[in-house]
Amino acid sequence: GAGVSQSPSNKVTEKGKDVELRCDPISGHTALYWYRQSLGQGLEFLIYFQGNSAPDKSGLPSDRFSAERTGGSVSTLTIQRTQQEDSAVYLCASSLSYQETQYFGPGTRLLVL
Amino acid sequence: QQQVKQSPQSLIVQKGGIPIINCAYENTAFDYFPWYQQFPGKGPALLIAIRPDVSEKKEGRFTISFNKSAKQFSLHIMDSQPGDSATYFCAADPRYSSASKIIFGSGTRLSIRP
Repeated sequence: GAGVSQSPSNKVTEKGKDVELRCDPISGHTALYWYRQSLGQGLEFLIYFQGNSAPDKSGLPSDRFSAERTGGSVSTLTIQRTQQEDSAVYLCASSLSYQETQYFGPGTRLLVL
Repeated sequence: QQQVKQSPQSLIVQKGGIPIINCAYENTAFDYFPWYQQFPGKGPALLIAIRPDVSEKKEGRFTISFNKSAKQFSLHIMDSQPGDSATYFCAADPRYSSASKIIFGSGTRLSIRP
């Protein structure tokens, strides 16, 4: 079946604008994760969802970052008032349930000018 | 502590050589240790994983060696090929315990020269 999909694949925005990143998990996967990968860096955990609830938001770097998941499926990561340091690849992953193998999407490359 | 320390940051090996990537963790609550492979423009994909009750796991040309007492594990790639050129991430995962969440290493950019 289809893997994890993310959109857009690339996003260029101006400092101060808001952006929305979308993740479509694998059908039937109840857990969904967001990570940030800065150039040449590892994977920084942002938030995870089990169903529609987010038991762990500990990785969100500031209150400009928020995420929601509706219908236990699609998730949206929103960054308000973007800053240049927000430039990174934002990766989404899903798993059958929490602590099962995570399957990653191709990422959204965000550039804040 | 929740860190996973990965080394080296980058590695260049001739085709046929055996690149070795090392990771060390601190929290003994981690009980599952996967390696992910990431090609440019793609998301990471699970390559191979090990539980701490075994010292070695082999899948094809990829081998994980695990040292529980030292809290270290490593990835070896036998007969490396140019197609193995990618970034490799180790991770420590509390898969079978209730502690915390998966922690990734910082990645190793591997280049296999023809």
